[in-house]
Amino acid sequence: DGGITQSPKYLFRKEGQNVTLSCEQNLNHDAMYWYRQDPGQGLRLIYYSQIVNDFQKGDIAEGYSVSREKKESFPLTVTSAQKNPTAFYLCASSIEGGPSETQYFGPGTRLLVL
Amino acid sequence: GEDVEQSLFLSVREGDSSVINCTYTDSSSTYLYWYKQEPGAGLQLLTYIFSNMDMKQDQRLTVLLNKKDKHLSLRIADTQTGDSAIYFCAETYSGTYKYIFGTGTRLKVLA
Repeated sequence: DGGITQSPKYLFRKEGQNVTLSCEQNLNHDAMYWYRQDPGQGLRLIYYSQIVNDFQKGDIAEGYSVSREKKESFPLTVTSAQKNPTAFYLCASSIEGGPSETQYFGPGTRLLVL
Repeated sequence: GEDVEQSLFLSVREGDSSVINCTYTDSSSTYLYWYKQEPGAGLQLLTYIFSNMDMKQDQRLTVLLNKKDKHLSLRIADTQTGDSAIYFCAETYSGTYKYIFGTGTRLKVLA
């Protein structure tokens, strides 16, 4: 089955710790995205990548980092510089990252701070 | 400017129709989307409408677009308890990858 997988489903972070969220897709999509969702708010774009080895900051990139070494994988690292990391994180992909393309979402990872 | 607004809550009885509303501010929007999010899950694409259309129907779903008022609505006919979820509208516009999401409307269907 084609789709997007995210792991883990729940993740706990201690103060001062970096954590990495996984996102994998087997849809052969070029473009991948990371969003953050907070209660009562829409999704906000953290980073996106339209092609391997290239990525761009979204609206709220501070305190986060990404890599895109493989087409199917786009991991997100939440660094200790992100002071309010508790949120639901959603990964998405689209065919080419062009204008108005439909984005397909993974099931999400909930990050909680201990 | 980039701003998409939705009311936060809607409650309907099973079998009734639900209408979820969305207003947006960017008149150059090209596609407008409706996504459904069930508890603890990702977003599932329900339907979308191109900005040169006024209406789109897909089984129980009807999307209406009023470009003059920048108003988008999603009507769910014969609402079922399985329709209980958060519904997001989103817009994109020409020349950008970017989605602008609304705040989401939590639909509760009462048995």
